[in-house]
Amino acid sequence: KQEVTQIPAALSVPEGENLVLNCSFTDSAIYNLQWFRQDPGKGLTSLLLIQSSQREQTSGRLNASLDKSSGRSTLYIAASQPGDSATYLCAVTDSWGKLQFGAGTQVVVTP
Amino acid sequence: EAQVTQNPRYLITVTGKKLTVTCSQNMNHEYMSWYRQDPGLGLRQIYYSMNVEVTDKGDVPEGYKVSRKEKRNFPLILESPSPNQTSLYFCASSLGSREQYFGPGTRLTVT
Repeated sequence: KQEVTQIPAALSVPEGENLVLNCSFTDSAIYNLQWFRQDPGKGLTSLLLIQSSQREQTSGRLNASLDKSSGRSTLYIAASQPGDSATYLCAVTDSWGKLQFGAGTQVVVTP
Repeated sequence: EAQVTQNPRYLITVTGKKLTVTCSQNMNHEYMSWYRQDPGLGLRQIYYSMNVEVTDKGDVPEGYKVSRKEKRNFPLILESPSPNQTSLYFCASSLGSREQYFGPGTRLTVT
C-alpha cells in the first residue's frame, strides 16, 4: 500500500528565506505527483503537478523536483513571504486517478 | 469559471438523519471523488467515480453512499449519520489521472 510522508510536520522561517519541503513515497509506480496549498479551514489549491516522466516543474517562485526511483519530491519556495504561510500537502496519483496524501507541512513565515 | 462546487458548506445535524452533500463540476471531467479530512489522519478517499454509472470504494467507504447519474454531479449520501462522521469533506474532479481540482469543502457536524 502506498504511504506518503512529509517532513518536517511544521516549519517556521523569517521572511525572505527559502523554504524546502520534503515528500517521500514508498511505491514508485506513480502516475504523477501534485503539490497543494491549504489555508486554515479552506479547500486545496493545486500548486504544481509533476508527471512521472518529469524531473521538475516550475511556477514563479515555486519549484518542485521529483526523483521517482528514490521515492522523493521536494518543493522549493524562493524568498518566502508572510502570505506563503499555509499547510502544504503532497499527493501521489496512481494510474486510476486515486490520490494518496501526505499529512502535510505547516509553514509559518514571520515578518 | 472552471470550478467544483459543494453544498452545503456547513451542516450541523443529528445522529440518524439522512443527508446529502452535493458536488458539481463544470469542466466535463470524467473522474470525481470524495475525501474526508480529519486532524491527525489527513485526507482519505471515501468513494470515487471514473465516469457516469461507474463508482468504487476508496479507503474509508463505510457509512457512505454515492451515485453518478450525470457527468457533472457526484452527490455523497449519509443514510444514517453518526458522530464519527463529523469531518471536513472535499469533492474533487479531474480528467483521468491529471491535475485534480478540489471544491471548497463541507464542514459536517453530527451530534
